Amino acid sequence: ILNVEQSPQSLHVQEGDSTNFTCSFPSSNFYALHWYRWETAKSPEALFVMTLNGDEKKKGRISATLNTKEGYSYLYIKGSQPEDSATYLCAHKTDSWGKLQFGAGTQVVVTP
Amino acid sequence: DTAVSQTPKYLVTQMGNDKSIKCEQNLGHDTMYWYKQDSKKFLKIMFSYNNKELIINETVPNRFSPKSPDKAHLNLHINSLELGDSAVYFCASSPSPGQFEEQYFGPGTRLTVT
Repeated sequence: ILNVEQSPQSLHVQEGDSTNFTCSFPSSNFYALHWYRWETAKSPEALFVMTLNGDEKKKGRISATLNTKEGYSYLYIKGSQPEDSATYLCAHKTDSWGKLQFGAGTQVVVTP
Repeated sequence: DTAVSQTPKYLVTQMGNDKSIKCEQNLGHDTMYWYKQDSKKFLKIMFSYNNKELIINETVPNRFSPKSPDKAHLNLHINSLELGDSAVYFCASSPSPGQFEEQYFGPGTRLTVT
């Protein structure tokens, strides 16, 4: 993997269902992995910054895991609610002064 | 209080003009960034300043020039605007470029070049 890839590109979830999606990144030169939540007509907002292999982070019903050796992170949404509808971006960083390389995002639509 | 603000929110201008977008953060952060959201909706870094010093300068046309008068402000000046410059430009800031530092984004400036 040369770039940051997110899959699926979009998904539709029924309210109350749980879902998850993937961020893949180059496993070499890992420094940090960011997750952002981006609602329509708003700015991206940080969810998690993950730095260690095996890291698990949780914020309310949203959680994330990190595998730096194989180069992937999963984001989970438990019991999806309509307000979870957003595009979820991940971004990979290779060093302290380096840039964040963003994926294209996974668009989540939660229907009542 | 708005943490990261950008002006203007919308900018419509003709090809060949010169324009500036301003960004201000009131978070006391040392590092600021400019991103361009391209036609495929990717956020791509253009520039980053840490304490008024340029630390990231991606391959962008030299018609784009950032200026940081102090660490709370990072402005983007664009000369001789072209149709391909039409995009949404986001400013962001973080406490430092360090490992744990999440970035705080402004609301974006939608630039349309006609």
